[in-house]
Amino acid sequence: EPEVTQTPSHQVTQMGQEVILRCVPISNHLYFYWYRQILGQKVEFLVSFYNNEISEKSEIFDDQFSVERPDGSNFTLKIRSTKLEDSAMYFCASMGGLGLPQFFGPGTRLTVL
Amino acid sequence: AQRVTQPEKLLSVFKGAPVELKCNYSYSGSPELFWYVQYSRQRLQLLLRHISRESIKGFTADLNKGETSFHLKKPFAQEEDSAMYYCALRGDSNYQLIWGAGTKLIIKP
Repeated sequence: EPEVTQTPSHQVTQMGQEVILRCVPISNHLYFYWYRQILGQKVEFLVSFYNNEISEKSEIFDDQFSVERPDGSNFTLKIRSTKLEDSAMYFCASMGGLGLPQFFGPGTRLTVL
Repeated sequence: AQRVTQPEKLLSVFKGAPVELKCNYSYSGSPELFWYVQYSRQRLQLLLRHISRESIKGFTADLNKGETSFHLKKPFAQEEDSAMYYCALRGDSNYQLIWGAGTKLIIKP
């Protein structure tokens, strides 16, 4: 059964550094998402992406964040200048079409020191 | 405001006992409700969605619009049901998921 994959599984970075989190959605899916979960808190929506553009974003998704689908398979989340409060588990999800459920990757744990 | 509430952070029951994980929501339109499960060290997995009206791994959930609830039930808990359970809502005008805080279910032998 096809699955969403994410790399790396754990990323440690220094405050102020740029990080890129990578996701490979399920191959025939059209809608892509990033969520995050700070330790002990709820899962929060960051951004959705469809047809090569952002379709929705939350207040969390400020100018420090960007997403890209650089080729036909990868979907990336970039944080330009990480802050301590960006430490969280970041989940990528993909969806085959409207009305269908979202399927999640295993997550990337980002630790900002 | 759109919100999902799971009032129990932790629920511990004995094997063979019935389980009910509560989920209440606040949404002004016609939401779609989901239950996701996360077993230890695994990804979030879709367990149920209300429009499917199916039973997965013995779990069922019925959307009660009057009470704005989508409680997850299983008549006889098994040890392998131990996991984190998340209730999530998807609105009818956008496609992001809004999440509850999750309930950790522990099934005691």
